[in-house]
This record gives sequence, structure tokens and C-alpha cells, in this order.
Amino acid sequence: GAVVSQHPSRVICKSGTSVKIECRSLDFQATTMFWYRQFPKQSLMLMATSNEGSKATYEQGVEKDKFLINHASLTLSTLTVTSAHPEDSSFYICSARVQGLEEKLFFGSGTQLSVL
Amino acid sequence: TQLLEQSPQFLSIQEGENLTVYCNSSSVFSSLQWYRQEPGEGPVLLVTVVTGGEVKKLKRLTFQFGDARKDSSLHITAAQPGDTGLYLCAGVKGTYKYIFGTGTRLKVLA
Repeated sequence: GAVVSQHPSRVICKSGTSVKIECRSLDFQATTMFWYRQFPKQSLMLMATSNEGSKATYEQGVEKDKFLINHASLTLSTLTVTSAHPEDSSFYICSARVQGLEEKLFFGSGTQLSVL
Repeated sequence: TQLLEQSPQFLSIQEGENLTVYCNSSSVFSSLQWYRQEPGEGPVLLVTVVTGGEVKKLKRLTFQFGDARKDSSLHITAAQPGDTGLYLCAGVKGTYKYIFGTGTRLKVLA
């Protein structure tokens, strides 16, 4: 099956710094990727839809200047958490959409962000 | 706004027992998917159901899509400790709008 690689898997940073998370589709091209945030023992909360070559579409309540998304190629989307604060600590997951006979999403393994 | 409600939220059962997880909505979906997620990992797709009333089986897991394509169920027969995880349903609306359910956390005790 399709593979989505997400890095880093875990990051600890100081308050005020920026953190970049990468999401790569390894064996297919993904025109659409999604970024989610997940709190402990809860479901996924969609943050934004990332489309290759265009601006990301953010969900209501998600600050686009805080969570910068870039999808510069068909295999890479990045999420940058700018000026991170402790309340930004969370599990961030990306997924890539695969179009075929069926709609499918393949997920990265997630990034645990801890802001001190 | 969360459109997909899953029940139960939590379930702890003994190995060998059967269980059913429900995924309900007032919205119609073009398809519905079920995922399982383990701690510290991303969700993994289990199945996609497309047609109203469709039933799909994956070993001990049986998935059903409601006739009106608004709800779905996941039935596990003879649960194993390896079935432990967070089960998520996801309704697909339009081209690629995914709505994730509230999640069901399953723990199967040996």
C-alpha cells in the first residue's frame, strides 16, 4: 500500500520557537494532503487541507499565521508551528489522499510536539 | 461541528467476547471508512463501504453501511488483544471532505 512518511516523530522545543513538520508521500503523488491535530484519547481534528501549488484551506478556528502550511511539490507538505506555546503541544498527523477506484487516505505516523 | 457520533466511547472486554461499534450521523455520505489507530501511530484504513446496505467482512470484523448511507456499524467476533486500539469511522462527503467520528477506544483483555 501507499506509504506516507512524517518527520519528526517527536519534538520538544522552547516556547517562542518555530517547529517544522514534514509529510512525504513516498511512492505516489499526492495533490491533496490533510493536517490534523489530535488530543489524548480523542478523535482527529482537521486543521487544514493542503493542495499542491495553491494556498491551504484552513478550518474554522485554525490560525493560518500560526500554522503555516506549504505544499510545494506533489510529494511533500510541511506544517510549521510558529512561535510555539505550551498550548500548541499536541499530536499532529498528516494524511495524503489517493485517488483510484476508491477514495483512500494514508496517514503519517504522527508527530508528538511538546512545547516547554 | 462533529457530525459523526460513535458509540460506545470506551469499551473494555475480555478476549473471546463479541462487540459492536456504532457510527451515526444525520448526514448522508458518499462512502464511509473505518480506521484503527494504535498509540503514537497514524490511523490505518480497515475498510471502505460505498453502497447503502453494503456488508463487508475482514476476517473477524464485519462492517455494514446503513441503507440510507447515514450510519455504519463495526462488529468484531471473538475479540483478541491485538484488536485493542482506537477505532474511527470517517464519512466522505463530496469529492474528498472527510468527517471523522468521535472515536471508540477498545481494550481487549487477555
